[in-house]
Amino acid sequence: EVQLVESGGGLVQPGGSLRLSCAASGFTFSTYEMNWVRQAPGRGLEWISSIGGSGSTIYYADSVKGRFTISRDNAWNSLYLQMNSLRAEDTAVYYCAPRGITTYYFDYWGQGTLVTVSS
Amino acid sequence: EIVLTQSPATLSLSPGERATLSCRASQSVNSYLAWYQQKPGQAPRLLIYDASKRATGIPARFSGSGAGTDFTLTISSLEPEDFAVYYCQHRKNWPLTFGGGTKVETK
Repeated sequence: EVQLVESGGGLVQPGGSLRLSCAASGFTFSTYEMNWVRQAPGRGLEWISSIGGSGSTIYYADSVKGRFTISRDNAWNSLYLQMNSLRAEDTAVYYCAPRGITTYYFDYWGQGTLVTVSS
Repeated sequence: EIVLTQSPATLSLSPGERATLSCRASQSVNSYLAWYQQKPGQAPRLLIYDASKRATGIPARFSGSGAGTDFTLTISSLEPEDFAVYYCQHRKNWPLTFGGGTKVETK
């Protein structure tokens, strides 16, 4: 059974930093592209970053480029998101999601972790 | 960036009725479009991928159609558990983007 467990969210002041983690199990982690998708309160879904299975291919949405860094540790089946220079508009639930090998879409999602940026 | 516009924003229907949701892309995404369902407090669930393929375990009352820039998600007969928000998403190129969502609510 695929399981994705995000952690690391919380309350942070504007300009601060936070590191999110996603622990994955139930699939061959190293063969999957992994993604972070966020959802601001009462708003829609926003893809923000992707990392290939080996970690060599990385993409970011313009809204987070230069501030957020995605990484992974295949030995620990873990995905990370280092978030720096946080802004109020980064307040959201952050989900990790692999892109399916057969569907090429987000077949599975974690439960999400809430990040609140506020003074 | 490909912009996906969903309409209507809200659809008010009764159980048993047919729901027709639209997603329009600002440029062609070929058939690289998916639909997700999201209920309050839950993560999204993949329903349809590549415009018309049902994901594993999705009931046959959900169907998708379209190609290029215009796509439709149809729920043939609404069940009580289908009242939720629905999002489309493309995978044509980077960045991946989602539509703004359509809320299907009980009339």
